[in-house]
Amino acid sequence: AQTVTQSQPEMSVQEAETVTLSCTYDTSESDYYLFWYKQPPSRQMILVIRQEAYKQQNATENRFSVNFQKAAKSFSLKISDSQLGDAAMYFCAYRLYSGGGADGLTFGKGTHLIIQP
Amino acid sequence: NAGVTQTPKFRILKIGQSMTLQCTQDMNHNYMYWYRQDPGMGLKLIYYSVGAGITDKGEVPNGYNVSRSTTEDFPLRLELAAPSQTSVYFCASSYSQPSYGYTFGSGTRLTVV
Repeated sequence: AQTVTQSQPEMSVQEAETVTLSCTYDTSESDYYLFWYKQPPSRQMILVIRQEAYKQQNATENRFSVNFQKAAKSFSLKISDSQLGDAAMYFCAYRLYSGGGADGLTFGKGTHLIIQP
Repeated sequence: NAGVTQTPKFRILKIGQSMTLQCTQDMNHNYMYWYRQDPGMGLKLIYYSVGAGITDKGEVPNGYNVSRSTTEDFPLRLELAAPSQTSVYFCASSYSQPSYGYTFGSGTRLTVV
């Protein structure tokens, strides 16, 4: 079974600074997808960024980027120019590419990101 | 463009009561899921469905039942509510292609007393 580990229960960063959230995962598969979800106090789960395991290039979405290290099974999220609206729980998630089954997402336990004004 | 709609948003149940959490999506997604979120524990899969008439257990199915009679609807049934089922419940849907993430509903906060 796949597991996803987020080793930082809580992180704090000054507004406008850069912060990196860590995620490692365990799998014996070679084809899979990785995601970061944001959950603000509203409770809504919002997709931040995705990465295909077969792509070596790291995904980027505006101020959000990832550092994907496939051999190390590491998938960190970097948030540049942090804004107050970035304050939320962030979940790392893994989805196997098997082409047939439901392939549910496996989530880490989350990192609570605090933005200091 | 409603996405995934969950009702109710909040509910308090007494031990032993039953209820159904409703979930509807209007994106014609094949796959639908129910997760529960407990504090500090991330989200855990309860049940999932790959299409109408097909459901299967996830990681934590005990105490729950589901049905999928249409592509749009995927209700979650709690038959005999227990305090251990106090949680936030999320319904989600996706296309079958795994490159897509999920679209989540806004969640239901359930308290069993």
